[in-house]
Amino acid sequence: DSGVTQTPKHLITATGQRVTLRCSPRSGDLSVYWYQQSLDQGLQFLIHYYNGEERAKGNILERFSAQQFPDLHSELNLSSLELGDSALYFCASSVDGYTGELFFGEGSRLTVL
Amino acid sequence: DAKTTQPTSMDCAEGRAANLPCNHSTISGNEYVYWYRQIHSQGPQYIIHGLKNNETNEMASLIITEDRKSSTLILPHATLRDTAVYYCIALNAGGTSYGKLTFGQGTILTVHP
Repeated sequence: DSGVTQTPKHLITATGQRVTLRCSPRSGDLSVYWYQQSLDQGLQFLIHYYNGEERAKGNILERFSAQQFPDLHSELNLSSLELGDSALYFCASSVDGYTGELFFGEGSRLTVL
Repeated sequence: DAKTTQPTSMDCAEGRAANLPCNHSTISGNEYVYWYRQIHSQGPQYIIHGLKNNETNEMASLIITEDRKSSTLILPHATLRDTAVYYCIALNAGGTSYGKLTFGQGTILTVHP
């Protein structure tokens, strides 16, 4: 158990819909990262938040947005969903933004039909 | 971050040492070598990292060549539970988002009884 909690574990929805994935980092961790893993793209970095502020962006689509709240939990919002958005979405946390030692959650599996 | 190259797959007998190589010939002086593994769609798990000295922890050992152009992750007594995809990542310690990990295709390690 990494200490990172992601909900929901599984989600099935239709194209055009909007979903929110939630992540609770390990206690005391200030950084939250989101990654996407699809069959054809592998693990891709999406976005990094540190103590409520956006620190870095990867190849995150404009239809996707994220935020980190004062209690340090984070949400990833995916809108206008397409079939290609079906993937595993992982959240990871670290104590600060200056380490490569990340603790990953078990992921949220999104299926878009 | 420097590109890393790993074999696509490797096999190992249970109880034997698993030696996973990684080539990072273009690594720069301030880039660390990180190793993660992912067990069948679970969240990636941090294993170990190093800069230029060999490192050991309860999970594995990391041997980095003197010229730092390659490294080897050693699992001293592989078990069936070590079957996973192993990722070698070069990470720039000078960046502002250290957790922006670039995962390649990794090495699929299969441990046989």
